[in-house]
Amino acid sequence: EAGVAQSPRYKIIEKRQSVAFWCNPISGHATLYWYQQILGQGPKLLIQFQNNGVVDDSQLPKDRFSAERLKGVDSTLKIQPAKLEDSAVYLCASSFPSQGYNEQFFGPGTRLTVL
Amino acid sequence: GDSVTQMEGPVTLSEEAFLTINCTYTATGYPSLFWYVQYPGEGLQLLLKATKADDKGSNKGFEATYRKETTSFHLEKGSVQVSDSAVYFCALSEMNTGFQKLVFGTGTRLLVSP
Repeated sequence: EAGVAQSPRYKIIEKRQSVAFWCNPISGHATLYWYQQILGQGPKLLIQFQNNGVVDDSQLPKDRFSAERLKGVDSTLKIQPAKLEDSAVYLCASSFPSQGYNEQFFGPGTRLTVL
Repeated sequence: GDSVTQMEGPVTLSEEAFLTINCTYTATGYPSLFWYVQYPGEGLQLLLKATKADDKGSNKGFEATYRKETTSFHLEKGSVQVSDSAVYFCALSEMNTGFQKLVFGTGTRLLVSP
């Protein structure tokens, strides 16, 4: 069974530029999560989707971050414009079924460096 | 809100030594507790879990017991190997509008030397 796929694996940009990350969850997983992991910290949930609807985006900096999951499968996270403090690893995870406790499976992450 | 506190690293051990990584939590309800592991260059993997008080989670020689009275979930292994070198994250799950939400600690790096 294929795991959670993410691309790119690494990205270096200048501040004020835009960047987008892509995630393809495990087939059949209804719930998709984006986390931000700053160096030396644990992952922090940015946004959670149930199919193509947003369940929780309370910690997403909406003035610069956006995410979508239009067909309820793969998802894109965008930052526009980027700031230095956005340097982090962005993790995507998915789980099935949709409610209650279910194991989250994580992708390898995208390491973003903002110069 | 709910939170997780775990010991700072790195923890440096020789092969076959005993491992303890401390984890305590603060929660208003009765969360499930987890240990995740992150090997170099890889994504987070679930190592073990416990869903209620006094449950013991175990996997690959690692164990952790859900202690409600001390709000702790310490990770232990009797004899570590070089291949156990990784970053270990303690986490709890809280229910958010009917869906699970994970809250992670800051991670503890384990370095095992031959």
